[in-house]
Amino acid sequence: GQNIDQPTEMTATEGAIVQINCTYQTSGFNGLFWYQQHAGEAPTFLSYNVLDGLEEKGRFSSFLSRSKGYSYLLLKELQMKDSASYLCAVLHGSSNTGKLIFGQGTTLQVKP
Amino acid sequence: DAGVIQSPRHEVTEMGQEVTLRCKPISGHNSLFWYRQTMMRGLELLIYFNNNVPIDDSGMPEDRFSAKMPNASFSTLKIQPSEPRDSAVYFCASSPARAIAGVRYEQYFGPGTRLTVT
Repeated sequence: GQNIDQPTEMTATEGAIVQINCTYQTSGFNGLFWYQQHAGEAPTFLSYNVLDGLEEKGRFSSFLSRSKGYSYLLLKELQMKDSASYLCAVLHGSSNTGKLIFGQGTTLQVKP
Repeated sequence: DAGVIQSPRHEVTEMGQEVTLRCKPISGHNSLFWYRQTMMRGLELLIYFNNNVPIDDSGMPEDRFSAKMPNASFSTLKIQPSEPRDSAVYFCASSPARAIAGVRYEQYFGPGTRLTVT
C-alpha cells in the first residue's frame, strides 16, 4: 500500500526558515515531488528528487533519503506570499509513465 | 502554451443530474490525469491515461464515474447520476512521457472545476 505523512499545519515568521517534513512508505518508488498550492488555485511544481541528497532552487530546497523514506522541503527568507499548502507526492510506477500519490498537504501560514 | 484547459470552471447542479467535465491537455503531453480534491480526503487520483489509453482507474469511486479520452487533445470525466458527496474541485493534469530524454517528468495542473451538487 501507499502511505505518505506530513504535518497538517505549520506557522512561521516572515524572513525565517521553515522545514516541512514528509515520510512515505510505498512500493515502486520513482521519485518525490513537492507542489505548492495557494488557496483556490491549482498545485504548481516546486521540486523533484529521485536521488538522495539536496536539490537547491533559489529560496527553496528539497532533500531526499530513499533508505529512510524521508524528504523535506526547506523554505528560506520566508515571504508572506509563501503562505500556501505544500504537497508531498511520490511518483509510483515502473513503466514509461506513472502516477503521483499525494500526501494530505501541509498548510503553512507566514506571519509578519 | 495556454497550459491545461478545463471547463467549466464552476458547476452547480442538482442531485441526480449528469455532470460532464472537460479537459484539454498541453499539446505534446502523453499522459493525462484526473484528480478530485476535498478538505477531508485531499488530492486523490481518479484515473490516468497514457497515449489516450486508460492505465489505472482504481481511484474511480464507483460506476457513476466514467472517463474518456477520444484523442490526444481532449478528455471528459462524467458523473451520472451526481450526488452531494461528489461536491469537490476536480483537477485535470498532463505530463510528458518519462522516456523523453531531458524532459522532466512533472504534472501540469489545470485550474480545476469546482463542482457543487445540491
